[in-house]
Order: sequence, then structure tokens, then C-alpha cells
Amino acid sequence: GAVVSQHPSWVICKSGTSVKIECRSLDFQATTMFWYRQFPKQSLMLMATSNEGSKATYEQGVEKDKFLINHASLTLSTLTVTSAHPEDSSFYICRPEGLANYGYTFGSGTRLTVV
Amino acid sequence: TQLLEQSPQFLSIQEGENLTVYCNSSSVFSSLQWYRQEPGEGPVLLVTVVTGGEVKKLKRLTFQFGDARKDSSLHITAAQPGDTGLYLCAGAARGNQFYFGTGTSLTVIP
Repeated sequence: GAVVSQHPSWVICKSGTSVKIECRSLDFQATTMFWYRQFPKQSLMLMATSNEGSKATYEQGVEKDKFLINHASLTLSTLTVTSAHPEDSSFYICRPEGLANYGYTFGSGTRLTVV
Repeated sequence: TQLLEQSPQFLSIQEGENLTVYCNSSSVFSSLQWYRQEPGEGPVLLVTVVTGGEVKKLKRLTFQFGDARKDSSLHITAAQPGDTGLYLCAGAARGNQFYFGTGTSLTVIP
């Protein structure tokens, strides 16, 4: 199956700082990347969708200036949480998709805690 | 928004019992997936169903896709503590956009 690497697996940061989360597809080219956030024991909420080399499309209610997505290559996408606040604390998960992968493999997730 | 409602939302049962989780929608999906997620990890795909009325078995897990491709169920026989986790259904619509269900948190007590 497809191999997806998400890093870091957890991070604690101070309010006001920025955090970058990386998602790599190790054995296929990811033309599309989906980013989700998830609160405890709840389902995944889609935040944004990006295609390699183009701007991300954000879901309603998601601030594009706060959650910066870069999909500069077919193997790497990043999500940067800027000026983080405690309410941004959540579990963030990526899901890459490409011609050789139907997008059924998720990253292992990043637990962000903002203090 | 193509909403997928799962029921029950929470379920706590004794080891050895059977259970069924339901995933319902008013929308038609080209395929539907079931995932299990453990705390601190990403969801892991269990099965994909594509054809209306399809039934798939994965050891003690039985998955069924509704005839109209709007709903699905997951039945677990003789549940074990290792089955504990968050179960998510996800429907695929146009393109490969997934719409996730509301989730079912299962706890199997030894």
C-alpha cells in the first residue's frame, strides 16, 4: 500500500508562534492533498484541498491566512498554523492522492497543543 | 454538504458481544469506505464497497452497502478489546472528494 509520512507526530508551542506540519508521499506522486483537523472522538473535518503547483481551496470557515498550505512538489505538502492560539489545538491529518493512489491512506497525524 | 450520519455515536460493550454500526445518508455515493482509527493515529482503511447490495467480510467484520448506495453497515461478531477504536465511514462522490461520517466510538471491555 501507499506510504505516507507526516511529521511531527506531536508538537507543543506557545501562543503566537507558528508551527509547520509536513506530509510526504514516499512511494507515489501526490497531485492532490487534503488536510483535515479532528477533535477528540469526533470525525474528520476537511480544512482545505490543494493541487500541486496551485493555490489551496479552503472550506467555509477556515481562515486561509491562518492555515497556510504549500504543495510545491508532488511528494511534499506543508500546513503552517500561523500565530497559533489554544483553540487551534487539535489533531491534524493529511491525505494525499495521486494517479497511483486513490487517497485511501492517511498520514499518521500531528497532535498540536498550543499553550 | 453530503452528510453521513453514523449511529450509535458511542458504544461500550463486553468482550464477545456482537454489534452493528450504521452509516446513513440521503446522498448517493460511488463508493463507500470504512476506517478504524486509534488514538493519536490516522484512520486506517478497512474496506471499500462499490456495488449496491455488496457484502464484504473481513474476519469477524461484515460490511454491507445499501442497494441504493446511500447507506452502509458494519457488523462485528464476538467483539474483542482490540476492536476498540473510532469507526468512520466515508462516502466518495464526484472526483475523489470524501465525505466522512460523524464517527462511532467503540469500547470493548475485557
